[in-house]
Order: sequence, then structure tokens, then C-alpha cells
Amino acid sequence: KQEVTQIPAALSVPEGENLVLNCSFTDSAIYNLQWFRQDPGKGLTSLLLIQSSQREQTSGRLNASLDKSSGRSTLYIAASQPGDSATYLCAAALFGGKLIFGQGTELSVKP
Amino acid sequence: KAGVTQTPRYLIKTRGQQVTLSCSPISGHRSVSWYQQTPGQGLQFLFEYFSETQRNKGNFPGRFSGRQFSNSRSEMNVSTLELGDSALYLCASSSLTGAYEQYFGPGTRLTVT
Repeated sequence: KQEVTQIPAALSVPEGENLVLNCSFTDSAIYNLQWFRQDPGKGLTSLLLIQSSQREQTSGRLNASLDKSSGRSTLYIAASQPGDSATYLCAAALFGGKLIFGQGTELSVKP
Repeated sequence: KAGVTQTPRYLIKTRGQQVTLSCSPISGHRSVSWYQQTPGQGLQFLFEYFSETQRNKGNFPGRFSGRQFSNSRSEMNVSTLELGDSALYLCASSSLTGAYEQYFGPGTRLTVT
């Protein structure tokens, strides 16, 4: 059974810091791995998707890596800003489209 | 291109009642999935529909059901509501091509009193 874990559960950093969010999954048989952002009371915004054959994806200040053999993915946020404050969720996609989500990392970036 | 839309956005119901939530996927997307989000359990998969057929189902009681129409719009129904059904219900659509990326709607906040 696929389980997804995110560490840390919460993170508070000063503006400008580079930070890393961690995601681990128990079964390497994934179709892809997606990182999402969720603002309070809102839906999910897709940030990055890494296909199972890829090692990383980049979008602006965000970089996500995937290591299937170790069951790990990381989301790197460069030069954090207060507007980055949100909950970040990673999700492993099983064949057939079902997403298994971690519990999320609540990020607070202080001005 | 318009995103995934969900209606209604907010709903208050009483225990024992039933509720129907609606989801319109991105134009051209034929797969629609539903998720329940609660503070205690996080995001959990309910079911997925493709071409009007349920292909995948999560571990939820039979009170939770859904359907998909020929235009790919989907509805989910919860009968005999319980207090524990209070949650944010999210739907996602996918084109099932390429990277199989899923796009989420804003959700329906259901409160059961």
C-alpha cells in the first residue's frame, strides 16, 4: 500500500532563505509525482510534476527532484518570499490516476 | 482555457440529509476524480470517472456515490449525511495524455450540523 510522508510538518523561515521540503513514498511503482500548493480554504494549485522517468523539474524559483530508488522527492524553493506562505503537498500518482497525498508542509515566510 | 469549476462553493446540511456536488472539468478532459479533505485525515481519494465509467474507488462507505455525464461533467452524492462528512470536497480533471497531470477545482466546503 502506497504511503506518502512529508517532513517537516511546519516550517517558519525569514524572507530570502532557500529551503527544502521533503517527501517520501513507500512504493516506487509510481506514474508521476506532483507538488501542489494550497492556500487556506482554497483548492490545490499544481506547481511541478515529475514523470517517473525524470529526475527533476524546474519552474522559476522552484525545483523538484525525484529519486524513485530511494522513494524520495524534494521541493527546493529559492529566495523565499512572504507570498510563498502556504501548505505544500506532494502526491504520488498511481497507475490509473489515483493520487496518494502526504499530510503537507505548512510554510510561513516572515518579512 | 477555463479551469475546473465546482458548485456550490459552500453548503450547510443537517445530519441525515443528502447532498449533490457538481464538477465541470477543463474542456477536453475526460477523467474526473474526487477527493475529500479533512484536518484529521488529509486528502483522501473517493473515486475516478472516465467516459462515464467509474474506474477506481477509494475506501469510503456506499453512502458516497458519483456519476459522470457524456459531456464529462461529474456529480458526487452523499446520502444520510453524518457530522464526519464535513470536509472540503475537491475534484480534479486530467486529459490522461502525456504526463497525466491533474488540475484541481476550488472545492466545495460542506458543513454538516
